[in-house]
Amino acid sequence: AQSVTQPDIHITVSEGASLELRCNYSYGATPYLFWYVQSPGQGLQLLLKYFSGDTLVQGIKGFEAEFKRSQSSFNLRKPSVHWSDAAEYFCAVGSNAGGTSYGKLTFGQGTILTVHP
Amino acid sequence: DAMVIQNPRYQVTQFGKPVTLSCSQTLNHNVMYWYQQKSSQAPKLLFHYYDKDFNNEADTPDNFQSRRPNTSFCFLDIRSPGLGDAAMYLCATDGGRMLPQHFGDGTRLSIL
Repeated sequence: AQSVTQPDIHITVSEGASLELRCNYSYGATPYLFWYVQSPGQGLQLLLKYFSGDTLVQGIKGFEAEFKRSQSSFNLRKPSVHWSDAAEYFCAVGSNAGGTSYGKLTFGQGTILTVHP
Repeated sequence: DAMVIQNPRYQVTQFGKPVTLSCSQTLNHNVMYWYQQKSSQAPKLLFHYYDKDFNNEADTPDNFQSRRPNTSFCFLDIRSPGLGDAAMYLCATDGGRMLPQHFGDGTRLSIL
């Protein structure tokens, strides 16, 4: 069974500082990997996804993530954090549901990001 | 423009009183999902529809049911809500080929 671990429950950074959120996954085949962001009281917004190819993927809002198969990791990074980035971030791994063309997502526990001015 | 719309955004019901949450989509996606997200936890998949085929997760309580009358709409019915069912309920859609799932803003359910 697939699983996702986000080791950091809560991270605090200063505005303008760099950010890295960690994500480790367990999956038997080539994973489909996602990062979502959730602001309080809102749904999930996709930041970026990895399906195959270039292991460094670019997303919205200046975020990027790097897939490292040897480490089973898909860490999210941003070079300079803005106060509006404060939110909860979820890493997810997707699998084909019974060999179908669509997928089922398994989420990590989330990392809450606080940004100090 | 909102593509996955959930109504209402906030729902309050009484212990044991049936409640229905609704989700509609303008994406014409085949697959619709319902997730339950309790406070400070990850979303947990309850069930999904592929067209009209219903797929229940093994650990979804019998108290939770779903209906999908057409491609655009999907409903979550909680027959006898308990205090433990208070949560955010998220609807999502998927167009296939592992396209990312598109989420609505959720319905926050409170139980009195």
